[in-house]
Order: sequence, then structure tokens, then C-alpha cells
Amino acid sequence: GENVEQHPSTLSVQEGDSAVIKCTYSDSASNYFPWYKQELGKRPQLIIDIRSNVGEKKDQRIAVTLNKTAKHFSLHITETQPEDSAVYFCAASHTGRRALTFGSGTRLQVQP
Amino acid sequence: GAVVSQHPSRVICKSGTSVKIECRSLDFQATTMFWYRQFPKQSLMLMATSNEGSKATYEQGVEKDKFLINHASLTLSTLTVTSAHPEDSSFYICSASLQRGGRDTQYFGPGTRLTVL
Repeated sequence: GENVEQHPSTLSVQEGDSAVIKCTYSDSASNYFPWYKQELGKRPQLIIDIRSNVGEKKDQRIAVTLNKTAKHFSLHITETQPEDSAVYFCAASHTGRRALTFGSGTRLQVQP
Repeated sequence: GAVVSQHPSRVICKSGTSVKIECRSLDFQATTMFWYRQFPKQSLMLMATSNEGSKATYEQGVEKDKFLINHASLTLSTLTVTSAHPEDSSFYICSASLQRGGRDTQYFGPGTRLTVL
């Protein structure tokens, strides 16, 4: 089955800096890669997703890149703010198996 | 749009009792819902896929007789933890699959924190 690895496990940046979180996946059939933000005790919130027919997608300060050949995808947050502090999860799925396989999570802390 | 509710948000029960958790898609119909479990400071682990009108598909290692799933309508799936034990204490989160324009996106419920004494 699918295996998703996520790095780093923790990331501390200064406010205004950029943050990058990377994930790799194992199943070449995977074609959908969402990113979720989870605050303590709350539900995961979808912040951006990308499908295998594009290599990059951007939404304001957040961008995701996908390299299908290398089977990795990354989340980029620019101009970080303290409210960006949370745990971020990458995930992968494909048409034949719609359930998401999650990475282990990255705890992002933005220092004011 | 795409709101998923979950009830209860917290439950504390005695060992050996059963607990039912409801997951509802409030503004869309979901033929497929998913149940995840999340232990403290860990990732979400898929327990089962719940399909409306048919039996759930369980992940390897998840006991189907212990975690009963029913998906009786297009907006409601329930998870019953039977004969709960302290090791079942966890954060249970459901998600509902919204299919639109040939695309499939999962939206999560707020989760249920189960504590078994």
C-alpha cells in the first residue's frame, strides 16, 4: 500500500520567513495530494491540494509543488505569521483508493 | 459549503461499555465517509471506509466486530466502539467525501475525544 513520509517533524521559523515541508510517497498510482493544517484539538483543515496533472499550485502565501517522477511534493509558506503555527499534514490518494494516507506531520512554530 | 459535523465532541465512559459516534455531512451528500483515529502527537490513521448502503471496508489490524460502522444514509455514518477499553482512548475523526466536477475532496468532522476509564 501507499507510504507517505514527511519531513521535518518540527520546524521553527521567524515571522516573515518562509517555511518548506516535504513529503515523498511510494505508490505511483497516487494522483491527489492535499495538505491539511491542524490546530491542537481541532479538525484538519484543507489548505491546498494538487492533482497529478499539474506541477505547481499557488494560493496567496501558500504553494505546493509536485514532482511525479521523483514521487515527492512540497508545501511552501511565504511571509509566515504566528497564526500559521500548527501541525501540517501531507496526504496522498488515488482514484482506486480514495482514502487518504497521511504523512507523520510537521509541527510549525512561527516565532514573532 | 462542505460542512461535516460529529457528535459527541467528547465522551468519557467506563471500561466495557459501548460508545456511538455520529458523523454527518450537513450540506452535501456523501456516498463515502472515512473514519480515522489519531493518538496524541501522532498522525491520522485510517480505520475504515464507510460506503452508503453497503458494508464498511476495514484497514488491516482494525477489528470490525469491535468498531461497528453503519452508513445508513447519504449524510450519516456512525462508528460504535463496542466493549471499550482504556487502550481505545483516542481522538476519532470522520471525513466525508465530496465529489464535484469529477474531483473528490475530503472534509473532516471536528473529532470526538474518547476517554475510557
